[in-house]
Amino acid sequence: ELKVEQNPLFLSMQEGKNYTIYCNYSTTSDRLYWYRQDPGKSLESLFVLLSNGAVKQEGRLMASLDTKARLSTLHITAAVHDLSATYFCAVVPQKLVFGQGTRLTINP
Amino acid sequence: DTGVSQDPRHKITKRGQNVTFRCDPISEHNRLYWYRQTLGQGPEFLTYFQNEAQLEKSRLLSDRFSAERPKGSFSTLEIQRTEQGDSAMYLCASSYGTVYEQYFGPGTRLTVT
Repeated sequence: ELKVEQNPLFLSMQEGKNYTIYCNYSTTSDRLYWYRQDPGKSLESLFVLLSNGAVKQEGRLMASLDTKARLSTLHITAAVHDLSATYFCAVVPQKLVFGQGTRLTINP
Repeated sequence: DTGVSQDPRHKITKRGQNVTFRCDPISEHNRLYWYRQTLGQGPEFLTYFQNEAQLEKSRLLSDRFSAERPKGSFSTLEIQRTEQGDSAMYLCASSYGTVYEQYFGPGTRLTVT
């Protein structure tokens, strides 16, 4: 059974700091997705990583994929309060299998 | 196209009642997925359709749950004899094939009292 694990599950950061969220998955997948979810809202797609070594950046967020290590990272640079949300990674054999989510809080 | 839509957005029902939710996918998307999300957890897969065919159902989908996509367009998810444990956000997503990302609707929040 495919398992997806995120680390950490809770992260409280100060504005301006950098940090990385890790996503490990248990079986082969060549596609990985990162989603953002604000409280009470649905999921917003951030990145789709389609191949080994893929790196994508949008603003202060950068995601990468290492399919051999079965690891993806979401790096936050110079965090700002607006990035406070829960971030999910998900892999997809057919349906999406989600990690537990990382609740990120950015403090002034 | 305005994206994936779901109706209703909120539903409060008494235990034992039946409820039905509707999902309208993005029009050209042939795949439609249902997920359930409880508080503090990631979404969990329930079932998915390719066109009108239901191709996979999770073990989470007990006999009380049924989903349809009769004409390969909108889908309905029915829960019979609701239980308090059914309280959750029910999310619908659609995609064009397996390669492309899934776009999520706003969800239907179910509260069973």
